[in-house]
Amino acid sequence: GAGVSQTPSNKVTEKGKYVELRCDPISGHTALYWYRQSLGQGPEFLIYFQGTGAADDSGLPNDRFFAVRPEGSVSTLKIQRTERGDSAVYLCASSTGWGDIQYFGAGTRLSVL
Amino acid sequence: SQQGEEDPQALSIQEGENATMNCSYKTSINNLQWYRQNSGRGLVHLILIRSNEREKHSGRLRVTLDTSKKSSSLLITASRAADTASYFCATANQAGTALIFGKGTTLSVSS
Repeated sequence: GAGVSQTPSNKVTEKGKYVELRCDPISGHTALYWYRQSLGQGPEFLIYFQGTGAADDSGLPNDRFFAVRPEGSVSTLKIQRTERGDSAVYLCASSTGWGDIQYFGAGTRLSVL
Repeated sequence: SQQGEEDPQALSIQEGENATMNCSYKTSINNLQWYRQNSGRGLVHLILIRSNEREKHSGRLRVTLDTSKKSSSLLITASRAADTASYFCATANQAGTALIFGKGTTLSVSS
């Protein structure tokens, strides 16, 4: 594809439910990143994949958050037992490699009611 | 935690005027990047300036970097209504595995 694709664009869920957010990176990009952005703030790093492995997951706020990238392309961010404080825009980015320019998707706006 | 801090938080100008946004950061860097975000969604990469560069141009954009002051500025010349957006500076974390963004400057350009 031409750019990073994220689905769904909007997700509304109830407190306590499980959600999955999907990211399709630019073809050939080995590095993939997830960020979370709250209203009025800049994006905050969650996790970085190099290939299939999570090279840095230090930004995940707690063990309710988990992300996978089983084939080194598409990634899924999984949130268990959602809380209202999880409401934010979740952004995915990809790059050709470590330290290279990151290209962002349009994000998934998650609303936890 | 936020590495960069943009200033001002909000800026309103008329079309044709220049807009200047500033960014300060805390740790040593290899490069600094500026991104634009429309309507709170995806970020678009604007320009990257390396630590050994002092100034860089791209179209109507001019970025300066002062590593001694740990600061950068983004100048948009001859602004247009389409420049209305939030602008963020970003630097890499120590491991180089993530970008750290400031809170951004919200620019409004009225026609």
